[in-house]
Amino acid sequence: DGGITQSPKYLFRKEGQNVTLSCEQNLNHDAMYWYRQDPGQGLRLIYYSQIVNDFQKGDIAEGYSVSREKKESFPLTVTSAQKNPTAFYLCASSSGDTSGYGYTFGSGTRLTVV
Amino acid sequence: LAKTTQPISMDSYEGQEVNITCSHNNIATNDYITWYQQFPSQGPRFIIQGYKTKVTNEVASLFIPADRKSSTLSLPRVSLSDTAVYYCLVGDIAHSSASKIIFGSGTRLSIRP
Repeated sequence: DGGITQSPKYLFRKEGQNVTLSCEQNLNHDAMYWYRQDPGQGLRLIYYSQIVNDFQKGDIAEGYSVSREKKESFPLTVTSAQKNPTAFYLCASSSGDTSGYGYTFGSGTRLTVV
Repeated sequence: LAKTTQPISMDSYEGQEVNITCSHNNIATNDYITWYQQFPSQGPRFIIQGYKTKVTNEVASLFIPADRKSSTLSLPRVSLSDTAVYYCLVGDIAHSSASKIIFGSGTRLSIRP
């Protein structure tokens, strides 16, 4: 079945560490996105990529970095510069086709600073 | 940006019809209206999308008046498993920059027995 796989499901980070969240899709979608969700809040856009080897900052990109070397993969690194990284992170993808259904989301990674 | 306004929370009972309204006064000509459902600790999932009039699928109906400045998601005969957060998105997801598609706080729907 086609879909988006995020790993790990739970991740613990020590102060000062960089951690990388994985996102892989087999939907052949061109665009991929990273969102952050805090408890009781909506989704905020971190980074997005509409084509391989290109990506743009979203609303809250500070302290995060991404790469898009393959169409299928869009990993997110949470750097030590991100002062409050504890949150639920969601990866999504979409096709550029108006007959599509918008975003397909992964099941999320819950990151906790310990 | 097509800002949306929807109720923060709603309560209902099993077997009832639930209608959630979303206001989007500055919707653009090319914008679609898309609703997502999110359960705790899961990613949102697509429910329904429309441009005008009425759209129905096996899960819900979407009513859009002629001026398109609002839309109503209708869930028939809800069950406890419909307890979730519902997001209304307005935009041309296929062609717009993702920075123009805004997920607000959504509507937290609670269904009681």
